[in-house]
Amino acid sequence: QVQLVQSGAEVKKPGASVRVSCKASGYTFANYYLHWVRQAPGQGLEWMGMIDPSDVTTNYAQKFQGRVTMTRDTSTSTVYMELNSLKSEDTAVYYCAREETCSGGRRCWFGPWGQGTLVTVSS
Amino acid sequence: DIQMTQSPSSLSASVGDRVTITCRASQSISNYLNWYQQKPGKAPNLLVSAASSLQRGVPSRFSGSGSGTDFTLTISSLQPEDFAAYFCQQSYSTPLTFGGGTKLEIK
Repeated sequence: QVQLVQSGAEVKKPGASVRVSCKASGYTFANYYLHWVRQAPGQGLEWMGMIDPSDVTTNYAQKFQGRVTMTRDTSTSTVYMELNSLKSEDTAVYYCAREETCSGGRRCWFGPWGQGTLVTVSS
Repeated sequence: DIQMTQSPSSLSASVGDRVTITCRASQSISNYLNWYQQKPGKAPNLLVSAASSLQRGVPSRFSGSGSGTDFTLTISSLQPEDFAAYFCQQSYSTPLTFGGGTKLEIK
């Protein structure tokens, strides 16, 4: 079955960087876009960006431009999200999610999600 | 960016009640609207895609409707397992955006 398994919780100091991984299994890795969405404690969902694993094309939310990098390793079917210059406001659960395929020429919905990775930024 | 306004932000209801959650887009998004349910400590789970397509395995008491800028998620008869948070999300254009969420609580 399709699974997205994320790396474990992280505690970082302000100004540091964090890298979260998302390992995909149960499907052809290159065939689906993967997205990153975060959720601050008790808050809503915020889209950070996406990566096309077939050609490494990325699309980042303006808010995170210059601070986020999404990459992939096809040999392990893993995508990575690195966020730099961490602030306390970056404390959140970070999710990867697979975009399903659909017709219409626009983006589609999220099917499987990873289990989430809690990143805590604290001095 | 397309803003998604979801209401109400919280809702108290009883088992068996019919509830409706609304989501309004700041511009027309055709039917590129999806609904997710999220339980505490868990990732969101897709309920409805493309405004009205119920996902496989989702109970038929859930339904979605709407097009353009105004959308609704209806639960026809609340069950105990439905008490959770619900989010709408537009997939019309990036940046993808979510509504602020509706927390459905037991009265």
